[in-house]
Amino acid sequence: KAGVTQTPRYLIKTRGQQVTLSCSPISGHRSVSWYQQTPGQGLQFLFEYFSETQRNKGNFPGRFSGRQFSNSRSEMNVSTLELGDSALYLCASSLTAPGNTIYFGEGSWLTVV
Amino acid sequence: DQQVKQNSPSLSVQEGRISILNCDYTNSMFDYFLWYKKYPAEGPTFLISISSIKDKNEDGRFTVFLNKSAKHLSLHIVPSQPGDSAVYFCAASVAGTASKLTFGTGTRLQVTL
Repeated sequence: KAGVTQTPRYLIKTRGQQVTLSCSPISGHRSVSWYQQTPGQGLQFLFEYFSETQRNKGNFPGRFSGRQFSNSRSEMNVSTLELGDSALYLCASSLTAPGNTIYFGEGSWLTVV
Repeated sequence: DQQVKQNSPSLSVQEGRISILNCDYTNSMFDYFLWYKKYPAEGPTFLISISSIKDKNEDGRFTVFLNKSAKHLSLHIVPSQPGDSAVYFCAASVAGTASKLTFGTGTRLQVTL
C-alpha cells in the first residue's frame, strides 16, 4: 500500500514569507504528526493531529501551525519565515493504538533565503 | 535537555561482523522504543521496536535489547551488510503520547567490505 506522501519535496522561500506543506497519511492511519530535522537540533516533534484535533504539541513558536482534514490529510504552515526555519520537515502517520509503529514520509526540504 | 542520547556519532564495522548501536535515555516515563534508519534527504525508515515490558525483540538480522534499570537500549545487526550503511536513530515515547517521539542524535554506521 502507498506510504506517507509529502508535497512539495523541495521549496525555496524568502524570509518573511509563509509556507504550507502537505501530507497524505497511509490509508487507514488517523494520526498524523510532524517533525523538523535540522543539523543543529536533530529530529524534533512539532505536533500531532488525530481526528482533526491537535493532540500533542512540541516546543515550537506559534508561527508553526497545522491542521488535519476529515480524510486525515494534514497540512502544516509556517508564517513569517526565518532563516533558521530551513530544515527537512517530516510527516509521519500511525494507527491510533499505543505502541503502533510510526511511518515517515520522504520529507519536504525547505530553504529560507 | 537531551532525554535520548546516542553517544557514538559514528561506527565502522566490517561486512559480516556484528554492529552494535547504543542509546541511553533519562526519562523514566518512556515506555516504547524504536529504531529508525535514515539516508540523507529521505524520511526515517522503521526498523524495530520494543515495549518496556520486554527486554529483547528480534526481527531477522535486527535485535533490540532493553535494560530498563540502566535506561539503556541497543540495536544489534548481525551480519552487517554494506546496505546497512546509514544513520540510525533511536526514539522513545511516553505512554499515551505514542506519536510524540523523542529522538536521539543519531549514529552513522559505515559497513566496510
